[in-house]
Amino acid sequence: DTGVSQDPRHKITKRGQNVTFRCDPISEHNRLYWYRQTLGQGPEFLTYFQNEAQLEKSRLLSDRFSAERPKGSFSTLEIQRTEQGDSAMYLCASSRTFPTGTSGRAGFNEQFFGPGTRLTVL
Amino acid sequence: AQKITQTQPGMFVQEKEAVTLDCTYDTSDPSYGLFWYKQPSSGEMIFLIYQGSYDQQNATEGRYSLNFQKARKSANLVISASQLGDSAMYFCAMREDRSGAGSYQLTFGKGTKLSVIP
Repeated sequence: DTGVSQDPRHKITKRGQNVTFRCDPISEHNRLYWYRQTLGQGPEFLTYFQNEAQLEKSRLLSDRFSAERPKGSFSTLEIQRTEQGDSAMYLCASSRTFPTGTSGRAGFNEQFFGPGTRLTVL
Repeated sequence: AQKITQTQPGMFVQEKEAVTLDCTYDTSDPSYGLFWYKQPSSGEMIFLIYQGSYDQQNATEGRYSLNFQKARKSANLVISASQLGDSAMYFCAMREDRSGAGSYQLTFGKGTKLSVIP
């Protein structure tokens, strides 16, 4: 299976600890996204990379959060000094770049999601 | 204001029947895309169907079709011949083109939990 993979699938940590999650996108995809999903809600956008460049960041991404994609392949999301409010499912997605004009101006750019990392902060 | 509104927290449908899941959206951007994703209890988001704002025809993918009413800003998902495996959360999402600036983030609704009854 060559889908998006995330590691770990589950993480339990104590408040104040640092955690790091990894995402491996589909190999030919140059775009990578991070979302956070809390219970009973839809996913909320955190940040987006095109190759190694971080091009968009949500206001949800506080100073305690940092994401990297050093070689334009896998990405890491680190949360420092975790708080109980950080407990959520962290989803990674990837997509291809389609040429301008393909499938309309907005473009298709379907995002393929990984299985997520469920974080519990005690 | 909510950009994506899904007014049905939960829906029930009899196996083999059709069901419509509602989605309304709010944007001033003339160029945007609308997506539906399925999220089973395992947690993974599965892409179902896409509709571009400039597409003239309603999108269809197998048993899934999208009832796109642009003037009403609605993009309802129709699932025909429901199966037990369709039981899941369903999310409507939008990507806005931001007048060519090219935002690629998806904005999701709160979802609808569909339960298929044997």
